[in-house]
Amino acid sequence: ELKVEQNPLFLSMQEGKNYTIYCNYSTTSDRLYWYRQDPGKSLESLFVLLSNGAVKQEGRLMASLDTKARLSTLHITAAVHDLSATYFCAVGHSGGYQKVTFGTGTKLQVIP
Amino acid sequence: DAGVIQSPRHEVTEMGQEVTLRCKPISGHNSLFWYRQTMMRGLELLIYFNNNVPIDDSGMPEDRFSAKMPNASFSTLKIQPSEPRDSAVYFCASSADRVIYEQYFGPGTRLTVT
Repeated sequence: ELKVEQNPLFLSMQEGKNYTIYCNYSTTSDRLYWYRQDPGKSLESLFVLLSNGAVKQEGRLMASLDTKARLSTLHITAAVHDLSATYFCAVGHSGGYQKVTFGTGTKLQVIP
Repeated sequence: DAGVIQSPRHEVTEMGQEVTLRCKPISGHNSLFWYRQTMMRGLELLIYFNNNVPIDDSGMPEDRFSAKMPNASFSTLKIQPSEPRDSAVYFCASSADRVIYEQYFGPGTRLTVT
């Protein structure tokens, strides 16, 4: 059974600081996704990572994937208040199925 | 592109009543997913369809829950009878059969069972 762990669960950080969110998963996978959810809103896709060593960047967010370590990271550079949200990673199940398992989410609060 | 459409956006009902949630996937997408989100259990996959056929319903909590997808543009999730513990936000998502398999989420239905 595929299990996905995120840490930390909660993250309070000051504007301008850097931090990293970690996503570990238990079985082999070739697809990993990062989503953002604002309070009371739906999930918005941020990144899709499909291969070992993949790195994607958008603004102050950068995601990477190490399939050998079964680890993905979401790095936040010089945080701003607008990045406050809950971030989820989701890992695809192998075997040609579209099913994914979501992590617990990391609630990020950026303090001005 | 209208995105994934869900209705109703909010539903308040009394325990024992039947609840039907509706979803219209993005045109051209052939996979549809129903999720439930609660504070206690996070985001759980209830069921997913591929080409209108249920592929995995292992997340459906019990027989009170049922889902259908009569055609490529419409799906329903029904709870009968509803219970207070069913209160949650229910999301529908869709994706296309391509390498990326990226899921696009609808706005969700917030269900409150009193």
